[in-house]
Amino acid sequence: AQSVTQLDSHVSVSEGTPVLLRCNYSSSYSPSLFWYVQHPNKGLQLLLKYTSAATLVKGINGFEAEFKKSETSFHLTKPSAHMSDAAEYFCVVSGGKLIFGQGTELSVKP
Amino acid sequence: DGGITQSPKYLFRKEGQNVTLSCEQNLNHDAMYWYRQDPGQGLRLIYYSQIVNDFQKGDIAEGYSVSREKKESFPLTVTSAQKNPTAFYLCASSMSLAGGLSYEQYFGPGTRLTVT
Repeated sequence: AQSVTQLDSHVSVSEGTPVLLRCNYSSSYSPSLFWYVQHPNKGLQLLLKYTSAATLVKGINGFEAEFKKSETSFHLTKPSAHMSDAAEYFCVVSGGKLIFGQGTELSVKP
Repeated sequence: DGGITQSPKYLFRKEGQNVTLSCEQNLNHDAMYWYRQDPGQGLRLIYYSQIVNDFQKGDIAEGYSVSREKKESFPLTVTSAQKNPTAFYLCASSMSLAGGLSYEQYFGPGTRLTVT
């Protein structure tokens, strides 16, 4: 069975500083992994996806994530936070159906 | 523009009334999904459909019903049997679910339902 755990429910950073949102997964086979972003009262937007190609995945808006099989992790990073990055972020593993983490709320301080 | 539309954006109903949420997609996707989102929680799957005239229960189907008469449309009815219907409802679609471990889902803007 697949599962996903987002290690932080809330992360706060200052504008211009790096962002790290942590995600661990569990899967009995090589998974597909995704990061989605949700702004308040909006639908979810795909940031990036891993599908067993390159382990370092680049997404939209300067985000990237690295698949580490040995650590069963798929952490999301961005070198420099922008105010518009403030949102809820979901790590997702695909096991036929998508299995969502509980979400990490990112706050960006000016 | 290709995408998923949900209507209305906000919906208010009295307790005991059934209500239907609309979801339409023009992405030519075979699979469609309904999720429920509550504050501070992830998404929970209500129903999904892989092809027209076929659908399966998700993790929290009780009190909900769906139909899939057209490829483009997947309406969700929240019945009076749903104990806590107030929530944010999201519709999504993807390429065929069958063997599609890597297929990402595309989401609509959501409908916020308030039942009083």
